[in-house]
Amino acid sequence: GNSVTQMEGPVTLSEEAFLTINCTYTATGYPSLFWYVQYPGEGLQLLLKATKADDKGSNKGFEATYRKETTSFHLEKGSVQVSDSAVYFCALSDSGGYQKVTFGTGTKLQVIP
Amino acid sequence: GAGVSQSPRYKVAKRGQDVALRCDPISGHVSLFWYQQALGQGPEFLTYFQNEAQLDKSGLPSDRFFAERPEGSVSTLKIQRTQQEDSAVYLCASSPEPTDGQPQHFGDGTRLSIL
Repeated sequence: GNSVTQMEGPVTLSEEAFLTINCTYTATGYPSLFWYVQYPGEGLQLLLKATKADDKGSNKGFEATYRKETTSFHLEKGSVQVSDSAVYFCALSDSGGYQKVTFGTGTKLQVIP
Repeated sequence: GAGVSQSPRYKVAKRGQDVALRCDPISGHVSLFWYQQALGQGPEFLTYFQNEAQLDKSGLPSDRFFAERPEGSVSTLKIQRTQQEDSAVYLCASSPEPTDGQPQHFGDGTRLSIL
């Protein structure tokens, strides 16, 4: 079956530090890959996505590249802000079918001033 | 509003009681999903509807869990004879259609606590 493994948190960084959250996956076929974010007190929302190998998803300064050869989709940001403090979920959905999503366990990021 | 709406936001029930959780998806969205999110974990799939048809219920933990979407819009997740292990956040998500790469739009969830 499909699975997503992401680095455990919590991750604590100082403002303007570089962020990497590692994510690897196991899937059959050619899944689409996502990063969802959950800010405190809010629901899950899409941060970025990539639908095929070598695609780069980007949003709000965050980036992730779909690496089929290493089955990875690591999230990066060059300079984090306090407002980036949230829980980040790596996820995938199968190609074809109805796009059931498999999530990782989430990584909590805390950015301190 | 324009987003996915779930109610109630919080639900406390005694063990053995039945509960019903409601989801109002974005208008016109064909696909509707229910997920269960335990504390400190990622959401786990429960069931999927395409319009009014329940095409996948493989994630429902037991026959105490039942979901419906009779008119292809609002959905209800019902849990009978609740147990403490049912305590979790229940998330509903919808998407316009089942196509590759289609992201899902999530509601804020219902936090269920079983005493």
